[in-house]
Amino acid sequence: QSALTQPPSASGSPGQSVAISCTGTSSDVGGYNYVSWYQQHPGKAPKLMIYEVNKRPSGVPDRFSASKSGNTASLTVSGLQAEDEADYFCSSYAGINNFVVFGGGTKLTVL
Amino acid sequence: EVQLLESGGSLLQPGESLRLSCAASGFALRTSAMSWVRQGPGKGLEWVSSIGVSGVKLYYADSVKGRFTISRDISKNTLYLQMNSLRAEDTAVYYCAKSGGGDCWPYQCGMDVWGQGTTVTVSS
Repeated sequence: QSALTQPPSASGSPGQSVAISCTGTSSDVGGYNYVSWYQQHPGKAPKLMIYEVNKRPSGVPDRFSASKSGNTASLTVSGLQAEDEADYFCSSYAGINNFVVFGGGTKLTVL
Repeated sequence: EVQLLESGGSLLQPGESLRLSCAASGFALRTSAMSWVRQGPGKGLEWVSSIGVSGVKLYYADSVKGRFTISRDISKNTLYLQMNSLRAEDTAVYYCAKSGGGDCWPYQCGMDVWGQGTTVTVSS
């Protein structure tokens, strides 16, 4: 059982927007501004999409945005494209003893 | 180009030991915190361990504490994960990953470069 809770699936049509939630507690998501999001295509390594709640590494399209409210973080993908179909994982700092925790992942399907 | 290449994955029996390696190129290990992250078959990501820029600060997930040891060889620019007393639940693809931003922990700047992974299977 993962420390952070994500919906197992999400979907949207090309051009639409879809949001993926990541719910934790005040000991992780809610306690620190250290939420990251990773994209993983089948058989591939994860790719960093967002760090520090809402910062995009260079090269990540601005169609990807993120935010946090209380114990829940969210990743929004706007203008959905076929190549956005992948698994998305959130992660958060969880204190010195747990360090990094991940969500169970959300499979995004582009209809 | 910054790259990471894991090796050492194998099929083992419960209780055995294994050392994974992660060769870094395009950057110096001593300039970045590094981590190991694993993914069980059909499962999500699980953080395993991290080593800081200084090489002194080490962190482990509770599930591997006391059994796994992270280390690095600066002269070889290689990261290691020594895994002892392996269990069936350690079966996974093991990725090494570099923290973004230099002297930055993985939770701060994210893990911006990942290797392709190496497979560890523990089964009797």
